[in-house]
Amino acid sequence: EIVMTQSPATLSVSPGERATLSCRASQSVSSNLAWYQQKPGQAPRLLIYAASTRATGIPARFIGSGFGTEFTLTISSLQSEDFAVYHCQQYNKWPSMYTFGQGTKLEIK
Amino acid sequence: QLQLQESGPGLVKPSETLSLSCSVSGDSITTNSYYWVWIRQPPGKGLEWIGYVYFSGSSDYNPSLNSRVTMSMDTSKNQFSLNLRSVTAADTAVYYCARRSTVGFYDYWGQGTLVTVSS
Repeated sequence: EIVMTQSPATLSVSPGERATLSCRASQSVSSNLAWYQQKPGQAPRLLIYAASTRATGIPARFIGSGFGTEFTLTISSLQSEDFAVYHCQQYNKWPSMYTFGQGTKLEIK
Repeated sequence: QLQLQESGPGLVKPSETLSLSCSVSGDSITTNSYYWVWIRQPPGKGLEWIGYVYFSGSSDYNPSLNSRVTMSMDTSKNQFSLNLRSVTAADTAVYYCARRSTVGFYDYWGQGTLVTVSS
């Protein structure tokens, strides 16, 4: 099983500033990585797939990068609606045992 | 627009079977490009993949749950379902159904349903 580790567990940032979230894989997953946003009481929403491709309707301020074992989600200028929990997920291990990180909570500073 | 909706009991007794269904609208579950999955999230914790079912009838489950899980599809109702046997308090979670692309990410999710295991 590939273990996904996200850091930090909680990130406090002021609106308008930039947030940088990290996700590390225990072995290479190539670019087979997705990011999800989850707000309280809601299901996760796909933000990024293939490490850097924004899903339909996702604003350009969400930027994914990385390859192999190190990945980053950058939110360039935080809006109030961006404060949420962010999960990374690898889908490199065919056929089905795709694993999630434990999540990073992005909170208002 | 694709929509998924979970349904089932919100309370299950220990040692019994948790049964949930997911109704899909806006696409057929027999489309041969997608997998239909269940994912759960214990309160305050991360996401855990439970398993998938595919239009061909094939399925696969998380090894940690494999002996207790069964998933199936009802194409006449455009639904798929989850049965988790011999539940304990550790199975208390929000259960989500979702669609997985052939590549592997989850692009559509149901709203989730909280299932509590308690006597």
